Amino acid sequence: QKEVEQNSGPLSVPEGAIASLNCTYSDRGSQSFFWYRQYSGKSPELIMFIYSNGDKEDGRFTAQLNKASQYVSLLIRDSQPSDSATYLCAVEGTYKYIFGTGTRLKVLA
Amino acid sequence: NAGVMQNPRHLVRRRGQEARLRCSPMKGHSHVYWYRQLPEEGLKFMVYLQKENIIDESGMPKERFSAEFPKEGPSILRIQQVVRGDSAAYFCASSPRDSTDTQYFGPGTRLTVL
Repeated sequence: QKEVEQNSGPLSVPEGAIASLNCTYSDRGSQSFFWYRQYSGKSPELIMFIYSNGDKEDGRFTAQLNKASQYVSLLIRDSQPSDSATYLCAVEGTYKYIFGTGTRLKVLA
Repeated sequence: NAGVMQNPRHLVRRRGQEARLRCSPMKGHSHVYWYRQLPEEGLKFMVYLQKENIIDESGMPKERFSAEFPKEGPSILRIQQVVRGDSAAYFCASSPRDSTDTQYFGPGTRLTVL
């Protein structure tokens, strides 16, 4: 059983729309959650982290955390073609991050 | 303010050769993590090191793989007698304090085994 699950996609949204990326995790004790963006052939780049239940906003990005449901999401407002990438959800485990397989996002111009 | 540095960026080896991957953490960071990413897959944790210590190597294959982070110099991930299945991108990340801190990734080393 996977510990961090993401829909692999691709998720296609038109330019200017809201993209919603979801992630569930199995360890109820997890405290820290991270979203990374990875362009093809490149390394993961940190977008946001969230520790507390609720929403956290940074520019066009909003991370949402619901520990009771073991669910974390990333919303991207006003999606741009440059947002097209794979988005990796990571959950803090013991001494390491546990990554989902990522959701591939395509923003259509 | 250099980020995490990895070299080489690309490495080609024939089956049976050794591969040596290097990682220099961000300035001020003393915690290093190695991850492997197979094509079309997510990142898999391999090993977590502090200076001169291996803290967690639960993700490392038991044979052929080893890692170190000496007092001086970069962290090194060594793969002996490489096989085609070792072909992957190997990413190093570093954090300033411990594993609860945000990890920042290097550009990766893409290993191809012929």
